[in-house]
Amino acid sequence: EDKVVQSPLSLVVHEGDTVTLNCSYEVTNFRSLLWYKQEKKAPTFLFMLTSSGIEKKSGRLSSILDKKELFSILNITATQTGDSAVYLCAVVTQGGSEKLVFGKGTKLTVNP
Amino acid sequence: DVKVTQSSRYLVKRTGEKVFLECVQDMDHENMFWYRQDPGLGLRLIYFSYDVKMKEKGDIPEGYSVSREKKERFSLILESASTNQTSMYLCASSFGAQPQHFGDGTRLSIL
Repeated sequence: EDKVVQSPLSLVVHEGDTVTLNCSYEVTNFRSLLWYKQEKKAPTFLFMLTSSGIEKKSGRLSSILDKKELFSILNITATQTGDSAVYLCAVVTQGGSEKLVFGKGTKLTVNP
Repeated sequence: DVKVTQSSRYLVKRTGEKVFLECVQDMDHENMFWYRQDPGLGLRLIYFSYDVKMKEKGDIPEGYSVSREKKERFSLILESASTNQTSMYLCASSFGAQPQHFGDGTRLSIL
């Protein structure tokens, strides 16, 4: 059975801290890995990773994939209260359909 | 920007009722998905569709059905609502291998 595991499940930090969120996976026929941010409503897309070792970056957020060790990390530097959210990791498997297998998410709280 | 619209943000229904949740996307995406999101369980796929009139079961299809008569609209149906179907329901759409875009969700309570 395909599985995606995120850690930690929750994290509380102070503004300005740097955080690293982890996502490991065991799936058949890996295709890509996605990160989403979910505040009160819809998950919003952050990154899609398909190749090992290539860092994706957007402002203070960055992410990288290791297909040999089957994990990805999401880094947030100089955190702000607006970064408080649930961060979701999901894996797309090959096979004709575009199903996502989600982890349970990491709830990040950034205190002023 | 892709827009995925779910018809209701909050819905309260009674046990045994037939419930319809509607989802519309405006980007001509062929793939559409229904998830439910529960604390401690994350997002779980109920059904998905990759074309009009096509549907496939996800991981937890029991108690649900879907309808896709038009490309832009994907409906989730609870045939006879039960209290264990109280949840947040999220609809998503995508084009090919591109990332899925989500609606704002419907928080459904079954009393």
